[in-house]
Amino acid sequence: QKEVEQDPGPLSVPEGAIVSLNCTYSNSAFQYFMWYRQYSRKGPELLMYTYSSGNKEDGRFTAQVDKSSKYISLFIRDSQPSDSATYLCAMIPNSGGSNYKLTFGKGTLLTVNP
Amino acid sequence: ETGVTQSPTHLIKTRGQQVTLRCSSQSGHNTVSWYQQALGQGPQFIFQYYREEENGRGNFPPRFSGLQFPNYSSELNVNALELDDSALYLCASSLGPTDTQYFGPGTRLTVL
Repeated sequence: QKEVEQDPGPLSVPEGAIVSLNCTYSNSAFQYFMWYRQYSRKGPELLMYTYSSGNKEDGRFTAQVDKSSKYISLFIRDSQPSDSATYLCAMIPNSGGSNYKLTFGKGTLLTVNP
Repeated sequence: ETGVTQSPTHLIKTRGQQVTLRCSSQSGHNTVSWYQQALGQGPQFIFQYYREEENGRGNFPPRFSGLQFPNYSSELNVNALELDDSALYLCASSLGPTDTQYFGPGTRLTVL
C-alpha cells in the first residue's frame, strides 16, 4: 500500500462547479499537509498549507484535514477554466528524522470546461 | 513565479551517458531538495542539501549524486543513465530543511 493515495482522475467539470479533490494516507506520522497545483510542463505551485484537523480557507479554495480518518480534501468553489491543472497533495511527518521530505500523491488532473 | 530557476529546460541523452542538471535557489534560501517526477506520477524525493551538505536521501541508487555550492545553488548528477530515468526533475528551495518548499519549473530529461 502506498503511503499516500490520490485518485488520478481525470476529472472534468463545467465552469462554476464545486470541485472536491481528496487524498488518503496510511502513515500517522504525517502532520503537515499541502496542496500543490501543477500546470502542464511547469513545476508545482503551493496552494494551501495546513497542520491541524479542520478547515482552512483562502479565497475560492478550502483545505480540509481529518487526521482521525487520515483523509484530506481540497475544495474549489466557482471553478474557472484557469483552474485546469493537476492537483497534488503532499505531506510531511512531524518528526522521525525525515521531516523535510515531501511525500506526494499521484496527482488529480482537473479540467474545467467553459 | 517562485524565483527558483533550473537549467536546461529540456535534455536528451542516450543510455549509459551522464547528465548534470542545475538549480538556482530563491534569494535567502539555504536548502535545496531534488525530486523526480515520472509521467503521470507525483514527485519522488531524491535528496536534500542544506548548507552544502547532504541532509537526507530518498530511495535512489548512488549513481544519483548532488552538490550544493556556497551561493546555495545546486547540481544533480546522474551517471550511467537508464531508460527509466526519463522524467521531469524538479528542484525546490526553502529557508531551511523543514520550511515550505518552492519549486522551480523543472528539467525534462529524455533517455533514449
